Amino acid sequence: KQEVTQIPAALSVPEGENLVLNCSFTDSAIYNLQWFRQDPGKGLTSLLLIQSSQREQTSGRLNASLDKSSGRSTLYIAASQPGDSATYLCAVNSYIPTFGRGTSLIVHP
Amino acid sequence: DTEVTQTPKHLVMGMTNKKSLKCEQHMGHRAMYWYKQKAKKPPELMFVYSYEKLSINESVPSRFSPECPNSSLLNLHLHALQPEDSALYLCASSQGDNEKLFFGSGTQLSVL
Repeated sequence: KQEVTQIPAALSVPEGENLVLNCSFTDSAIYNLQWFRQDPGKGLTSLLLIQSSQREQTSGRLNASLDKSSGRSTLYIAASQPGDSATYLCAVNSYIPTFGRGTSLIVHP
Repeated sequence: DTEVTQTPKHLVMGMTNKKSLKCEQHMGHRAMYWYKQKAKKPPELMFVYSYEKLSINESVPSRFSPECPNSSLLNLHLHALQPEDSALYLCASSQGDNEKLFFGSGTQLSVL
């Protein structure tokens, strides 16, 4: 059974810092990995999807990488802003999508 | 239209009530999902429909009954729920199995 771990569980940083969020998984036989953002009590907003054959995807200030062999993905957020404050979840899709517990991010002005 | 629409946004029900959650998408997606999310926990998969047929049931109690009337609609019928069933219920869809997930904004359910 796929197990997904996200580190750190929580992060509080001043505005402007570059951030790295980590996601690791136990079964490397995956179709894809998707990063989401969730605001409190709301649904999930898709940020980036990386297919199993890809190494990296970029969207604006976000960059996600995937190393399938080591079972790891990283979400890089450049020049963080207070509006980035949210919980970030990774979902690993290996037959069924399995979520990590998320990283709760606070960016203070 | 790139949205997944869930109604209602909030629902309060007693343990003897029967209610239904509704999910709709018009993106032509053929896979639809129900997830349950408790506070500060990750979403947990409940059901998956693929081409309008139930393909995955993650050992969900029978008081939750899914229904997929057509390729655009997904319902979750609720009956005799327990207070511990209070949670955010999320619907998602994807073009096909194992493809990009699109989520709705969820229904916040409280069982009294």
